Amino acid sequence: SQQGEEDPQALSIQEGENATMNCSYKTSINNLQWYRQNSGRGLVHLILIRSNEREKHSGRLRVTLDTSKKSSSLLITASRAADTASYFCATEGTGANSKLTFGKGITLSVRP
Amino acid sequence: GAGVSQSPSNKVTEKGKDVELRCDPISGHTALYWYRQSLGQGLEFLIYFQGNSAPDKSGLPSDRFSAERTGGSVSTLTIQRTQQEDSAVYLCASSSLRAGGYTFGSGTRLTVV
Repeated sequence: SQQGEEDPQALSIQEGENATMNCSYKTSINNLQWYRQNSGRGLVHLILIRSNEREKHSGRLRVTLDTSKKSSSLLITASRAADTASYFCATEGTGANSKLTFGKGITLSVRP
Repeated sequence: GAGVSQSPSNKVTEKGKDVELRCDPISGHTALYWYRQSLGQGLEFLIYFQGNSAPDKSGLPSDRFSAERTGGSVSTLTIQRTQQEDSAVYLCASSSLRAGGYTFGSGTRLTVV
């Protein structure tokens, strides 16, 4: 079963705008990760945020985590056409549910 | 190598035949996952290997699917008596305990005709 649910399913923005993508999950986690996928093949790891962290930055990426609401957001600032891709959140659970499970993904289109 | 290598990159097989998909993880990575992704869908968990622990096989869809990891390195995913619904991209990922995420291979696109 899929743990994370991303929102929206699809997002279309103009180059230079910010893109915000959300993820909600159901059970306790050790960490939450965001990945990007181009052309339906291998995924690229973007950023990991641990359950005891609330915010993390990496370049133009900003991730927040609210464990009380079981939700995370990924913000891409000053988007570029090259950011066009599918984005997935993945959660690494705790205890017996420690495997990494993915949501269905968000399709981001950045118009030049 | 520097990344996770999967072979073959594409495989077309006839319904009912067996296939073997291979994953070479990054050297030293103790954790290894297999996922399946159908067109336009998310990643479906299949199996998880962590070091010498018993693998988590809870995602394997049927007894036609099996996987092994020899010597804690290379892994093979075997699908017996393939069906058309097995058509998908099969993705492998590996990580070390200290890594900040998983490195994915480029996947094997399996088409069952």
